Amino acid sequence: GENVEQHPSTLSVQEGDSAVIKCTYSDSASNYFPWYKQELGKGPQLIIDIRSNVGEKKDQRIAVTLNKTAKHFSLHITETQPEDSAVYFCAPCGTSYGKLTFGQGTILTVHP
Amino acid sequence: ETGVTQSPTHLIKTRGQQVTLRCSSQSGHNTVSWYQQALGQGPQFIFQYYREEENGRGNFPPRFSGLQFPNYSSELNVNALELDDSALYLCASSSRTSWTEQYFGPGTRLTVT
Repeated sequence: GENVEQHPSTLSVQEGDSAVIKCTYSDSASNYFPWYKQELGKGPQLIIDIRSNVGEKKDQRIAVTLNKTAKHFSLHITETQPEDSAVYFCAPCGTSYGKLTFGQGTILTVHP
Repeated sequence: ETGVTQSPTHLIKTRGQQVTLRCSSQSGHNTVSWYQQALGQGPQFIFQYYREEENGRGNFPPRFSGLQFPNYSSELNVNALELDDSALYLCASSSRTSWTEQYFGPGTRLTVT
């Protein structure tokens, strides 16, 4: 099965700084690469995703980059704000029916 | 557009009992996936339902079962509850054109004592 690792497990930044979280996966069949944000007491929220035929995707302050050869993809958040504080999960998918395999999560804390 | 809803919000059961959790998919979505999230961990895939049939399953024993109804809502049933079943149970819906793009509900917190 798919092995997924996220780094770092915790990340603390000052408001306005950038944050980068990396996700490494093992299944070369993976072709869909989403990032989810989970706030306390809530379900995961899809914030950005990328498919295997694209190397980078950007949506305002967040971006995702994919390196299929090296089997990793990264979440980039610029100009961080306190409301970005949450747990972030990568969840690559390599099955035809959409089984997401989640990483262990990265706790992001943005200090005002 | 209505998002994914789940009920109940919280539930406390005793070891050995049975539980049923419910999920209503986002409008326009016909596929439902269920995940289990233990405290401090990422969600783990239990199974997916499409056209009222199980469409894929993760590494969970048969005492975890599900149903999907004609209106695309779904139930997760767990028999013979064990202490390790204590977790947040998440439901996610998606459309037939993109099973992978999944939108999650708020979850049901199950505590087994």
